[in-house]
Amino acid sequence: AQSVTQLDSQVPVFEEAPVELRCNYSSSVSVYLFWYVQYPNQGLQLLLKYLSGSTLVESINGFEAEFNKSQTSFHLRKPSVHISDTAEYFCAVTVSDSWGKLQFGAGTQVVVTP
Amino acid sequence: DGGITQSPKYLFRKEGQNVTLSCEQNLNHDAMYWYRQDPGQGLRLIYYSQIVNDFQKGDIAEGYSVSREKKESFPLTVTSAQKNPTAFYLCASNPGSNYGYTFGSGTRLTVV
Repeated sequence: AQSVTQLDSQVPVFEEAPVELRCNYSSSVSVYLFWYVQYPNQGLQLLLKYLSGSTLVESINGFEAEFNKSQTSFHLRKPSVHISDTAEYFCAVTVSDSWGKLQFGAGTQVVVTP
Repeated sequence: DGGITQSPKYLFRKEGQNVTLSCEQNLNHDAMYWYRQDPGQGLRLIYYSQIVNDFQKGDIAEGYSVSREKKESFPLTVTSAQKNPTAFYLCASNPGSNYGYTFGSGTRLTVV
């Protein structure tokens, strides 16, 4: 079975500073990786995903993540954060033949301050 | 617009009561899922369904039940056997195995 570890439960960051959210996974087979964002009292929204091909994937709002197979990681980065990026971020993994079930990490709360 | 609708947004349950959370989607997705979210624990899978009239237990199915009589609908019943039901419940759907989920906006259940 696969699992996901998000290494930081909370990340405080100043506005316009860079941020990195760390995600490691374990799996004995090929994986598909996702980052989701959750604003208070809302559902999760897909931020970006890695299915195959280029190991660097980008979102439309400036986030990017790099799939590193040797380090079993899928860290999320943004070079300059805004106040509106304050949210909880979840890393998730699935594998083929798993009925599409996602295994989620515990989440990382990002708090952006002026 | 296509999406997933969860209702109600807030729900209060008395001890010993069964309550049902609604989840409806108009995305024509085959797969649907129910997750429970507790602070600091991420999301845990309760039940999932790949096709109508079929569903499977997830990691924490005890005290919950589901049905899938229509492709669009996947209601979750929280029974009195669930000893700690206070949580945020999220419904999701998926068009195929590796595409990722679309989530509803959630139902917050509180035991009073």
